[in-house]
Amino acid sequence: EAGVAQSPRYKIIEKRQSVAFWCNPISGHATLYWYQQILGQGPKLLIQFQNNGVVDDSQLPKDRFSAERLKGVDSTLKIQPAKLEDSAVYLCASSLDTGLSPLHFGNGTRLTVT
Amino acid sequence: DAKTTQPNSMESNEEEPVHLPCNHSTISGTDYIHWYRQLPSQGPEYVIHGLTSNVNNRMASLAIAEDRKSSTLILHRATLRDAAVYYCILKGSGTGNQFYFGTGTSLTVIP
Repeated sequence: EAGVAQSPRYKIIEKRQSVAFWCNPISGHATLYWYQQILGQGPKLLIQFQNNGVVDDSQLPKDRFSAERLKGVDSTLKIQPAKLEDSAVYLCASSLDTGLSPLHFGNGTRLTVT
Repeated sequence: DAKTTQPNSMESNEEEPVHLPCNHSTISGTDYIHWYRQLPSQGPEYVIHGLTSNVNNRMASLAIAEDRKSSTLILHRATLRDAAVYYCILKGSGTGNQFYFGTGTSLTVIP
């Protein structure tokens, strides 16, 4: 089966600019996650979708971050305006459901904010 | 989210077994123990999970203590491709429970 696709692979922007990341989950996976991974740390959950509804966005900095999952398939994560501390790898993952199904991760987008 | 404690780093010789420990003294009765690993420049990948009984799959074995306050991921024969960061995660089976990653154990495999 095709894996989780993410683009772009790398992005460099200046602070206060905006940026968007795209994720295409594995076909049939109802649950989609966005994680932020800062260098040297484990992934931190930003938001979880079940189909096109938000299950958990408690750790999403809503003043600058937004995410949507139209039609319950693809998802985009946006940052506007970006700060230096947003430099990280943004990982998308999907799973069949929200129970015990394992997460399948993409290879992420590495964002550098200068 | 229940907390896990893992050593920051471990080393193993190639072709030797590796035992990666994880302490989770505050685990609840409904928490499953999951292990993921992250190879350099890749997203994490699922390794194994279990509740009470020991589990085996093609990648590894999971040994769970009788009181469930600790577990050990066993790689039976380490290869250079097993060099990665290994994460031990507790997750309940319900919809509201999430996969929270700690800092994991960085495994170095020595040729």
